[in-house]
Amino acid sequence: NAGVMQNPRHLVRRRGQEARLRCSPMKGHSHVYWYRQLPEEGLKFMVYLQKENIIDESGMPKERFSAEFPKEGPSILRIQQVVRGDSAAYFCASSPFLLAGDTDTQYFGPGTRLTVL
Amino acid sequence: GENVEQHPSTLSVQEGDSAVIKCTYSDSASNYFPWYKQELGKRPQLIIDIRSNVGEKKDQRIAVTLNKTAKHFSLHITETQPEDSAVYFCAGSQGNLIFGKGTKLSVKP
Repeated sequence: NAGVMQNPRHLVRRRGQEARLRCSPMKGHSHVYWYRQLPEEGLKFMVYLQKENIIDESGMPKERFSAEFPKEGPSILRIQQVVRGDSAAYFCASSPFLLAGDTDTQYFGPGTRLTVL
Repeated sequence: GENVEQHPSTLSVQEGDSAVIKCTYSDSASNYFPWYKQELGKRPQLIIDIRSNVGEKKDQRIAVTLNKTAKHFSLHITETQPEDSAVYFCAGSQGNLIFGKGTKLSVKP
């Protein structure tokens, strides 16, 4: 059973370009979460998605950031017009099932390290 | 919303000693508390978790305790080894994970 997959592992963009980060959850998992980790800091929740639905985007910056999890294919975190402050490691995690008001175990991917020049 | 505080930020122990990391949370509705280990440049790896209906859980050298009344939970690592050196993160959750800022553990041989 392959783990959570993310690509690319490293991404370099110039200011103003777009960054697209992809996440394929573990087989059988239908919930995806995106987190951002700045150097020497903890992980900050960004967005929680199920197939074709955004469940919670309370941690997502209001501008330039968007996320989707289509019926087919990986979840994508998109950052438009990147700025140097977007440089960070972006991790996605997946979980198999979520009861209302409950939490299931989240397994993390290897992360995408975004560098904005 | 939930807020998770983690202490200490750094911890240095001698090989074979025990290490304890403590976290407090603010939202009494949180019901799930995982601990992750993250080595430099790697992904966070789940090492142990506990749910709010349990007070203690143990897995070999690792144990976690939860005090719901005081809203704090702790990670205990016994007989530490150099390979335990990493950053450890606690988290609280009602759905999404809210992480503490991490504890950098160094185990000296």
